[in-house]
Amino acid sequence: GEDVEQSLFLSVREGDSSVINCTYTDSSSTYLYWYKQEPGAGLQLLTYIFSNMDMKQDQRLTVLLNKKDKHLSLRIADTQTGDSAIYFCAAVGGYNKLIFGAGTRLAVHP
Amino acid sequence: DTAVSQTPKYLVTQMGNDKSIKCEQNLGHDTMYWYKQDSKKFLKIMFSYNNKELIINETVPNRFSPKSPDKAHLNLHINSLELGDSAVYFCASSQDRVGGYTFGSGTRLTVV
Repeated sequence: GEDVEQSLFLSVREGDSSVINCTYTDSSSTYLYWYKQEPGAGLQLLTYIFSNMDMKQDQRLTVLLNKKDKHLSLRIADTQTGDSAIYFCAAVGGYNKLIFGAGTRLAVHP
Repeated sequence: DTAVSQTPKYLVTQMGNDKSIKCEQNLGHDTMYWYKQDSKKFLKIMFSYNNKELIINETVPNRFSPKSPDKAHLNLHINSLELGDSAVYFCASSQDRVGGYTFGSGTRLTVV
């Protein structure tokens, strides 16, 4: 079945760019998603990319997809303290279920 | 208007009790889900329903019983609660993959 992996922690300085990486196993996953979870809150859909795209940009967010390597990344430009959260990569598995990575905890420091 | 709403937000109960969590979505989506997030933040699907029909039942103890009275509602009943059931339970809905999945704000269940 589908498996999604992410690095667990990332620490960046305010104003720098953050890059969160993700790998997945099922190449038939047609959509890949990034969700954000702030402390004590639910899951907020940040962005998604269709599998026939290489890149998608949405304001400060850039998603890169390397289908050959099954690698997905989320770049946050000009990272702010309000970006501190857990970021989940997710792929679609069988029966349309979302398979989540373990989440990357992004810490932004001054 | 909240798109996916869950109640209650917090639930503290003793071992052995039976409890229910309710979920409603006003997005007109056909599919609804229950996910469990453990203390390490791992998210795992438990159930999904499409138009009131059970589609996914992951390896969840049969103490957990979902019920979908209509496609806008998916409730989760848990019998004989155990300490290990303590987690945050998220309800979600989707229509198609393009729009993604919309999550509720979660129900934090604590079993003491």
